[in-house]
Amino acid sequence: SQTIHQWPATLVQPVGSPLSLECTVEGTSNPNLYWYRQAAGRGLQLLFYSVGIGQISSEVPQNLSASRPQDRQFILSSKKLLLSDSGFYLCAYSGGQAEAFFGQGTRLTVV
Amino acid sequence: DAKTTQPTSMDCAEGRAANLPCNHSTISGNEYVYWYRQIHSQGPQYIIHGLKNNETNEMASLIITEDRKSSTLILPHATLRDTAVYYCIVRVQSDYKLSFGAGTTVTVRA
Repeated sequence: SQTIHQWPATLVQPVGSPLSLECTVEGTSNPNLYWYRQAAGRGLQLLFYSVGIGQISSEVPQNLSASRPQDRQFILSSKKLLLSDSGFYLCAYSGGQAEAFFGQGTRLTVV
Repeated sequence: DAKTTQPTSMDCAEGRAANLPCNHSTISGNEYVYWYRQIHSQGPQYIIHGLKNNETNEMASLIITEDRKSSTLILPHATLRDTAVYYCIVRVQSDYKLSFGAGTTVTVRA
């Protein structure tokens, strides 16, 4: 069966520190991968999506970057976090069945 | 890219059917209607999708009007655990981009 792993569940980071969130998918090949952010009380904002290794599409200009070093691995990074980067970060994948499946999310607080 | 319009919020009594409307008047012929829900502090969960025929699964039923300009998600017997934000999305299956609108906040009350 297909599963998606996202970690850590919660993270508190100081302003100016780097960030690395990792997402891995099991049980499927060549998935489409997504990173979303949800600020407190707000909707889901699509940040990045990837249709293959090394292929990243960015939806909004921001302080974040994404990479896909392996088929089932998607990484969200920042060199220097801002207070405005706080939020709930979600990784998702979709495969041949077209519907998307989400991880449990990482709640990031930048202090 | 607001392709869908949903009410901001709605209440439902526990044990009754919850009918969630969605307008998608500009839907194109190859776009599907998808429904997801997000329970507080969790990732969104896929519920159901359809093209033009009505669909039913163990979670819900999806009724799409004949002109496909609107649809209704039906939760047949709402429980307190169905309290969530429900998102209606239209997209072609081959579209890699998956964007969410504001959704409808559904509160099921005892």
